[in-house]
Amino acid sequence: AQSVTQPDIHITVSEGASLELRCNYSYGATPYLFWYVQSPGQGLQLLLKYFSGDTLVQGIKGFEAEFKRSQSSFNLRKPSVHWSDAAEYFCAVGASGFGNEKLTFGTGTRLTIIP
Amino acid sequence: EAGVAQSPRYKIIEKRQSVAFWCNPISGHATLYWYQQILGQGPKLLIQFQNNGVVDDSQLPKDRFSAERLKGVDSTLKIQPAKLEDSAVYLCASSLRGGVDGYTFGSGTRLTVV
Repeated sequence: AQSVTQPDIHITVSEGASLELRCNYSYGATPYLFWYVQSPGQGLQLLLKYFSGDTLVQGIKGFEAEFKRSQSSFNLRKPSVHWSDAAEYFCAVGASGFGNEKLTFGTGTRLTIIP
Repeated sequence: EAGVAQSPRYKIIEKRQSVAFWCNPISGHATLYWYQQILGQGPKLLIQFQNNGVVDDSQLPKDRFSAERLKGVDSTLKIQPAKLEDSAVYLCASSLRGGVDGYTFGSGTRLTVV
């Protein structure tokens, strides 16, 4: 069965500093990997996704993520965070199955930005 | 395009009462999902529809939860009777081709059972 581990429950970063959120997955084949962001009281917004090809994926809001098969990781990065990046971030892995894909989410990492 | 619509946004009920949530997916999206997100946890899939047929309901507590998707469009999720541990955000998502393109989530319904 597929699973996702986000080892950091809460991270605090100064505004303007760089950010890396960790994600490790378990899946038997080539995974579909996603990062979502959730602001308080809101639904989930897709930041970026990896299906195949280039292992460095660019997303919205200046985020990027790198797929490392050898480490079963898909870490999210941003070179300089803004106060508006404060939110909950979820990594997810997708099972493939001819149109029956479903996502399994990690427990999330809450990001706090300090001035 | 319009997003995934969910209602109500908030609901407070007493335990043992019943409650229903409604979801209207993006037009043309064949696949619809209901997720439960308990505070401090990631979303967990409850049920997945492909058009109006159930693809996966293995995580749905069928003794109290039920869901249907009328004519392959709108969907309702019902809880009867509710328990305290059902307090959560219930997220609806839809996908054009079953997830390859990623989901679009609604804003969710926050349920509090007291």
